[in-house]
Amino acid sequence: GQNIDQPTEMTATEGAIVQINCTYQTSGFNGLFWYQQHAGEAPTFLSYNVLDGLEEKGRFSSFLSRSKGYSYLLLKELQMKDSASYLCAVRVYSGTYKYIFGTGTRLKVLA
Amino acid sequence: NAGVTQTPKFRVLKTGQSMTLLCAQDMNHEYMYWYRQDPGMGLRLIHYSVGEGTTAKGEVPDGYNVSRLKKQNFLLGLESAAPSQTSVYFCASSPGGEGKKETQYFGPGTRLLVL
Repeated sequence: GQNIDQPTEMTATEGAIVQINCTYQTSGFNGLFWYQQHAGEAPTFLSYNVLDGLEEKGRFSSFLSRSKGYSYLLLKELQMKDSASYLCAVRVYSGTYKYIFGTGTRLKVLA
Repeated sequence: NAGVTQTPKFRVLKTGQSMTLLCAQDMNHEYMYWYRQDPGMGLRLIHYSVGEGTTAKGEVPDGYNVSRLKKQNFLLGLESAAPSQTSVYFCASSPGGEGKKETQYFGPGTRLLVL
């Protein structure tokens, strides 16, 4: 079956660094995405990894290890506006493209 | 360029009533998806479409039907609503294919309450 695990909730302090982990067991792996979702809003794209290694984009970085079925999202210099849910999603291909989502990690940033 | 839009934004139904949720995208995307999001369960795929005139079942298709008569529109129907269908429904679209730009773009969501 297809399965994605990530922590339910995390808390961090403004200005700190936080790492949100995601482990997956899927077939037909075709890329891993991270989305940010503020309460009551739609998910928005944050990052994408298809090859092993680190992708950096401003304060956000994402890492992928395909052999370990593992990814993490790293948020630096946390700001209050980073309080949101972070969704890990794996795109799979088996003739068509589909996305499998984790349950999301709710991050609270405290002053 | 509105991206992905959904109507209605909020709806209250009584058990047994029917309704249709409309999703529209103006990005000429091939793929369109309907998800439901429930607390603690993440986004679950209901149905999806890989192009005009095509539909396919996702993870939780029971109680829902879909149609993609035009490339830009993807309709989700509930024939006989049940309280278990109370949820937030998100539509998404993607170009189809690989690469960073092939991410999904989400609509703002429809909040449905079935009494």
